[in-house]
Amino acid sequence: GAGVSQSPSNKVTEKGKDVELRCDPISGHTALYWYRQRLGQGLEFLIYFQGNSAPDKSGLPSDRFSAERTGESVSTLTIQRTQQEDSAVYLCASSLGTERNSPLHFGNGTRLTVT
Amino acid sequence: DAKTTQPTSMDCAEGRAANLPCNHSTISGNEYVYWYRQIHSQGPQYIIHGLKNNETNEMASLIITEDRKSSTLILPHATLRDTAVYYCIVFSGYSTLTFGKGTMLLVSP
Repeated sequence: GAGVSQSPSNKVTEKGKDVELRCDPISGHTALYWYRQRLGQGLEFLIYFQGNSAPDKSGLPSDRFSAERTGESVSTLTIQRTQQEDSAVYLCASSLGTERNSPLHFGNGTRLTVT
Repeated sequence: DAKTTQPTSMDCAEGRAANLPCNHSTISGNEYVYWYRQIHSQGPQYIIHGLKNNETNEMASLIITEDRKSSTLILPHATLRDTAVYYCIVFSGYSTLTFGKGTMLLVSP
């Protein structure tokens, strides 16, 4: 079946511009997560959505970062006034639930390059 | 998340079983063992997970020792497409999900 879909796969932007990244989770998955992976480093948690509950935004690095999710479907991650340190792969994942027994399924990410 | 220790790299001949070990001696009772793999420029791919019992799915088998301090991922018939970095993770929550260095598995013809 269809997995997690992210678009665009690559994005090059100039410093100071805003960017919007999109994630389509697996159908029926109520939980959605955004992570960031800098080159050669591990995953950095950004934000988590579960159903109609308030999102967990504790991982967002600054107020330039925001994310929305419409119901239990598409999510967009917005980065305003991009900086060079924002360059990374942004990964989206979804899962059936939030229990430890619910695997996260990842998309292939959006590679963001800020010049 | 509990720390895991994996070998840096392993080799396997195509068609043979690949056995990837992982130590997680500080795992707590309600933490699951998960395995993911990542092929260059792709997102992490879920393979299998378990709590206490051995598990098997279409991709692999997971053997967890009785004391839960270590586990082994088994790819029964490795193919060239199984060449990837394999991550063993002890999962206690999405906000602390960490991928360590993993094991680079190279499958050769």
